[in-house]
Amino acid sequence: GQNIDQPTEMTATEGAIVQINCTYQTSGFNGLFWYQQHAGEAPTFLSYNVLDGLEEKGRFSSFLSRSKGYSYLLLKELQMKDSASYLCAGVDSNYQLIWGAGTKLIIKP
Amino acid sequence: IAGITQAPTSQILAAGRRMTLRCTQDMRHNAMYWYRQDLGLGLRLIHYSNTAGTTGKGEVPDGYSVSRANTDDFPLTLASAVPSQTSVYFCASSDKVTDTQYFGPGTRLTVL
Repeated sequence: GQNIDQPTEMTATEGAIVQINCTYQTSGFNGLFWYQQHAGEAPTFLSYNVLDGLEEKGRFSSFLSRSKGYSYLLLKELQMKDSASYLCAGVDSNYQLIWGAGTKLIIKP
Repeated sequence: IAGITQAPTSQILAAGRRMTLRCTQDMRHNAMYWYRQDLGLGLRLIHYSNTAGTTGKGEVPDGYSVSRANTDDFPLTLASAVPSQTSVYFCASSDKVTDTQYFGPGTRLTVL
């Protein structure tokens, strides 16, 4: 079957660094997305990885290891506005997205 | 530029009633999608359309139908609503099926 696993909730301190992990099992693999979703709002695109390695985009970076079926999202210099849910989604052989339940990130001052 | 709009924003519906959720995009994207989001679960694909005139079933299609008469609009219909269809519904679109999906603001539906 297809499955995406990520922690339900994480807490971090303003100004710190946090890493949100995601493991995936999909029928075929055509990349992995990370989205951010603030409470009561729509998901918004953060990153897409299809090759192994780290992609950096400002304070956010995303890493992929295809051999391990593993990805992480790294958030640096945390700000209060980063409090949100972070959704991991794998792209299967039919180019459909298989979504994790999301990781709720709580930022404390 | 509006992007993707959904209507209504929220709705309370009696069980057994018919309901159509509207979705319109102005980005001329070829592909459109309907998801439902429930607490503790990931987004689940209900139906999709890779291009105008075609539709397909996603992971949880039962009780829902869609149509794609043109590029911009992708309505989702609940023929006879049941309480288990209480959820937040998101419409999304992408230029191609391989591209990033962009989401509408969602419709919060409660079926009593």
